[in-house]
Amino acid sequence: SQKIEQNSEALNIQEGKTATLTCNYTNYSPAYLQWYRQDPGRGPVFLLLIRENEKEKRKERLKVTFDTTLKQSLFHITASQPADSATYLCALDNQAGTALIFGKGTTLSVSS
Amino acid sequence: GAVVSQHPSRVICKSGTSVKIECRSLDFQATTMFWYRQFPKQSLMLMATSNEGSKATYEQGVEKDKFLINHASLTLSTLTVTSAHPEDSSFYICSARPDGQYNSPLHFGNGTRLTVT
Repeated sequence: SQKIEQNSEALNIQEGKTATLTCNYTNYSPAYLQWYRQDPGRGPVFLLLIRENEKEKRKERLKVTFDTTLKQSLFHITASQPADSATYLCALDNQAGTALIFGKGTTLSVSS
Repeated sequence: GAVVSQHPSRVICKSGTSVKIECRSLDFQATTMFWYRQFPKQSLMLMATSNEGSKATYEQGVEKDKFLINHASLTLSTLTVTSAHPEDSSFYICSARPDGQYNSPLHFGNGTRLTVT
C-alpha cells in the first residue's frame, strides 16, 4: 500500500534561514503531490500543489520540488519567520484518485 | 472562497452516548466529502468518503455501524459517533472540494475535538 514518510518530526531553525522539509513516498506513482500547513487545533490549509510533470513550483517564499525518480518532494521556506512555525504536511492522492493520504508532518519552529 | 465549516469545534460527552458532527460547504457544492481522524502527533487518517445520495465508503478498519455518515445535501455531511467510548476521543476533520474540480486541493474544516469521559 501507499506509504508517505516525512523524515523529521521536528525542525528548529533561526529566523531568516531557509527551512527544508522532506517527503518520501513508496509503492505508488502519484499524479500530483500537495503540501499543507496545520496550526494546533485547526484543520490543514493548502499551500502548494505540484504535478508529476513539474520539477519545481514557487509561491512567494515557498518552493516545492518533485523528483519522481527518487520518489521525493522537498519543501523550502526561504527567509523564514516566527509566523512560519507550524506543522507542514505532505499529501498524495489515494489510489482511487479522490481523497488525500497524509504524512505525519514536520513541526517547524522558527526562533527570533 | 471554498470555505468548509465544521460544528461543533469541541464536544465532551459521556461514555455510551452519541455525538453528531456537522460539515458544511458554505460557498460551493460538494457531492463528495471526506472525514479524517487525527490522534496527537499523528497523521490525518482517512476514515470514510461521504457521498451525497448514496452510502458512504469506509476505509479498512473503520466500523461503519459506529461512525454513521449521512450526506443529506450537496452542502452538508454529518458524522455520528455512536456509543462513544474513551478510545474514540480524537480530532475529527472534514474536507471537500468543489464539484468538478478533480485533483484540486481539499478544503478543510477546523475540526472537532471529541473527548469521551
